[in-house]
Amino acid sequence: AQSVTQLDSHVSVSEGTPVLLRCNYSSSYSPSLFWYVQHPNKGLQLLLKYTSAATLVKGINGFEAEFKKSETSFHLTKPSAHMSDAAEYFCVVGNNAGNMLTFGGGTRLMVKP
Amino acid sequence: KAGVTQTPRYLIKTRGQQVTLSCSPISGHRSVSWYQQTPGQGLQFLFEYFSETQRNKGNFPGRFSGRQFSNSRSEMNVSTLELGDSALYLCASRTPGENTEAFFGQGTRLTVV
Repeated sequence: AQSVTQLDSHVSVSEGTPVLLRCNYSSSYSPSLFWYVQHPNKGLQLLLKYTSAATLVKGINGFEAEFKKSETSFHLTKPSAHMSDAAEYFCVVGNNAGNMLTFGGGTRLMVKP
Repeated sequence: KAGVTQTPRYLIKTRGQQVTLSCSPISGHRSVSWYQQTPGQGLQFLFEYFSETQRNKGNFPGRFSGRQFSNSRSEMNVSTLELGDSALYLCASRTPGENTEAFFGQGTRLTVV
């Protein structure tokens, strides 16, 4: 069984400042981990995925995430927030068969001008 | 390449009715999964189909069912609608295997009145 906890339901940053969205996971096997973003009235878009090839994963739009097995964490970061980053972000873990995703509760990112 | 297409985008149904939602996956994707998104429960896995067979099912009542056709298109059906079934229903398609990303459609917004 797997589970995901996103530690902040809302994060507010100023444009140009760093973004940190926190995620802890629980999995009984080597996890597949993803970050997805959802803009209002849109579907989910993949930002990045952890494939066990490297612990630091680079995604689209300048986002990165670091897999830390000892801390069971997969936090999402971006050096400099842009207004267009305002959206809801989901940390996701896949099951070992690769056919079911378990979503965290989501973090709503607000970017102030 | 066309993305995942869900129809209709919006639906309003009356309590007690039934509803069918449709999902056309990305060409070549044989795995289709369905998720329910509500403000209270977040994103929850409904079921996954691969080659017309249901491989995995989430914790939803039997009123929720689905099927997949030979061309990989999928439908989900909800019978005897309840007010609590009001949600955004998201479909995702992927190529099978571990760590492959799921591509999501824009969803069908179902309102039960």
